[in-house]
Amino acid sequence: GAGVSQSPSNKVTEKGKDVELRCDPISGHTALYWYRQSLGQGLEFLIYFQGNSAPDKSGLPSDRFSAERTGGSVSTLTIQRTQQEDSAVYLCASSFKGFGELFFGEGSRLTVL
Amino acid sequence: SQQGEEDPQALSIQEGENATMNCSYKTSINNLQWYRQNSGRGLVHLILIRSNEREKHSGRLRVTLDTSKKSSSLLITASRAADTASYFCAREPNTGNQFYFGTGTSLTVIP
Repeated sequence: GAGVSQSPSNKVTEKGKDVELRCDPISGHTALYWYRQSLGQGLEFLIYFQGNSAPDKSGLPSDRFSAERTGGSVSTLTIQRTQQEDSAVYLCASSFKGFGELFFGEGSRLTVL
Repeated sequence: SQQGEEDPQALSIQEGENATMNCSYKTSINNLQWYRQNSGRGLVHLILIRSNEREKHSGRLRVTLDTSKKSSSLLITASRAADTASYFCAREPNTGNQFYFGTGTSLTVIP
């Protein structure tokens, strides 16, 4: 696609429910990143995928968070048993071979009631 | 923490003035990048400076990098109201895969 696409753009859920956030990176980009941005804060690294290598999951805050990337393209971030502190904007970015600039999607705003 | 700091946290200037924001970091880097984020939007890449470069220009943007002080600055000259946004620096370390972002500088340009 022309840019990084994220869905849903907004998600409101109840505490304890599972949510899935989707990221469709730019075609041909082998690197994909997930970040979390709380209100008025910087970006917190969550996970990094590069080609067929094992993902860097060092930023995932708990075992309720997981992510996968199918076929080296689309990625899904799953949050199980959501908590109120999970409320944030989840940003996805991709880059070519992990070098140079990151191209960001518009983010998925998650609100946990 | 490897995230470092950006300052100021907030900056308010009159249109036409210059805006300077700073970024400090703690570990060695391959490159440093500056991004802009309009409210409620994703981040947009502005400029990349490599560790062996000291200064780079792009239009009204000027970025400097001092690796001995582990700091960078972004200068926006002749600011416009449309420059109102948050600005983030992102550091790509020598080791590891992730880019480290600071908490950003919120710039308001008053028309």
